Amino acid sequence: NAGVTQTPKFRILKIGQSMTLQCTQDMNHNYMYWYRQDPGMGLKLIYYSVGAGITDKGEVPNGYNVSRSTTEDFPLRLELAAPSQTSVYFCASSLWSGLGNQPQHFGDGTRLSIL
Amino acid sequence: QQQVKQSPQSLIVQKGGIPIINCAYENTAFDYFPWYQQFPGKGPALLIAIRPDVSEKKEGRFTISFNKSAKQFSLHIMDSQPGDSATYFCAASWTNTGNQFYFGTGTSLTVIP
Repeated sequence: NAGVTQTPKFRILKIGQSMTLQCTQDMNHNYMYWYRQDPGMGLKLIYYSVGAGITDKGEVPNGYNVSRSTTEDFPLRLELAAPSQTSVYFCASSLWSGLGNQPQHFGDGTRLSIL
Repeated sequence: QQQVKQSPQSLIVQKGGIPIINCAYENTAFDYFPWYQQFPGKGPALLIAIRPDVSEKKEGRFTISFNKSAKQFSLHIMDSQPGDSATYFCAASWTNTGNQFYFGTGTSLTVIP
């Protein structure tokens, strides 16, 4: 099993450009998440999804959009890149079984710089 | 507002020492407390987790101590090794939030040979 796969691993964008960060998981997890990680700030939730067709905002959603058309894929879209969006982005997934919370499984991240 | 407060920000210990990382929370609805380990260039990986019905959980050299009344939990690493050098994050969640996790700000651990 590959687990959670993120592409690209690195990207440099110019201010105002747009891009999509890709995330796919092969564990048949129903829940998926996008986080950003900034130095000394921990992980902040951007958006999450509890199943195909259902998404919701997290703590820091401004400037981002998501979609969830399949169980496996959860892309994150930046429409007008700003320097404040320079960060490391992590995608995660978890299984909801109705028996209490379960661990989230993370990809290895996309390192994004906006200049 | 930081839902989970983690300390210290960084920690340096000698090989064989027992680093301790502490986390505190306010929301008494939290019912799942995982710890994650992150190496440079990699995503966080689950290390160990505890639910509030027990006060301690051990997995190998890693132990979580949980104090429900004080709303605190901590990670102890026994006989620490240079390979344990990483960033450690605590987190908390409660069942009815879409499995959302609230993460601490992380502790950078360095184990000196």
